[in-house]
Amino acid sequence: AQKITQTQPGMFVQEKEAVTLDCTYDTSDPSYGLFWYKQPSSGEMIFLIYQGSYDQQNATEGRYSLNFQKARKSANLVISASQLGDSAMYFCAMIYMNTGFQKLVFGTGTRLLVSP
Amino acid sequence: DVKVTQSSRYLVKRTGEKVFLECVQDMDHENMFWYRQDPGLGLRLIYFSYDVKMKEKGDIPEGYSVSREKKERFSLILESASTNQTSMYLCASTTQAGRGFGYTFGSGTRLTVV
Repeated sequence: AQKITQTQPGMFVQEKEAVTLDCTYDTSDPSYGLFWYKQPSSGEMIFLIYQGSYDQQNATEGRYSLNFQKARKSANLVISASQLGDSAMYFCAMIYMNTGFQKLVFGTGTRLLVSP
Repeated sequence: DVKVTQSSRYLVKRTGEKVFLECVQDMDHENMFWYRQDPGLGLRLIYFSYDVKMKEKGDIPEGYSVSREKKERFSLILESASTNQTSMYLCASTTQAGRGFGYTFGSGTRLTVV
């Protein structure tokens, strides 16, 4: 069964520093996609970054980069130059096909707190 | 701006009540989803729908049902609310060909059952 594991319930970082949020996944399917979402206190889920299983290069979106290590089944999110507004919950997720339907499965999340 | 709108942000209901959570999207998306979010458990899929009047069970459908009479609206129904259904409920939608970045989420409904 597909599974996403986030082992860090909470992380602290100082403003302007970089931080890495860990994510490992488990799947036997060769085709899948990995995502990171941000959830601020307002509740909505904001898409940050996507990595396809066949993508050769690590995905980057502005200050966000995804450190994709396929053999280790890890997809860590790196946030460079943290800002106070980065304080939020972060979810790693994986999309896969199951019984003909596309499904998105989430990890348990990491709460990031950025301090001045 | 494209949107998924959940009708209530906060809801308090009594045990045994029938509860309707409404979700409307304006993107003409085929797929719609209901997730439940609990601390330490992340988001878990309750039900999803890939077309009008079509529905499929997710990972935790017990105690819930859904209705999709129109493409833009997907309702989650708690037939007889119980305290263990106190949670944050998130609705999402995507196109048939959409991948994760095609998922648009609502702001969530925080339901408390007393």
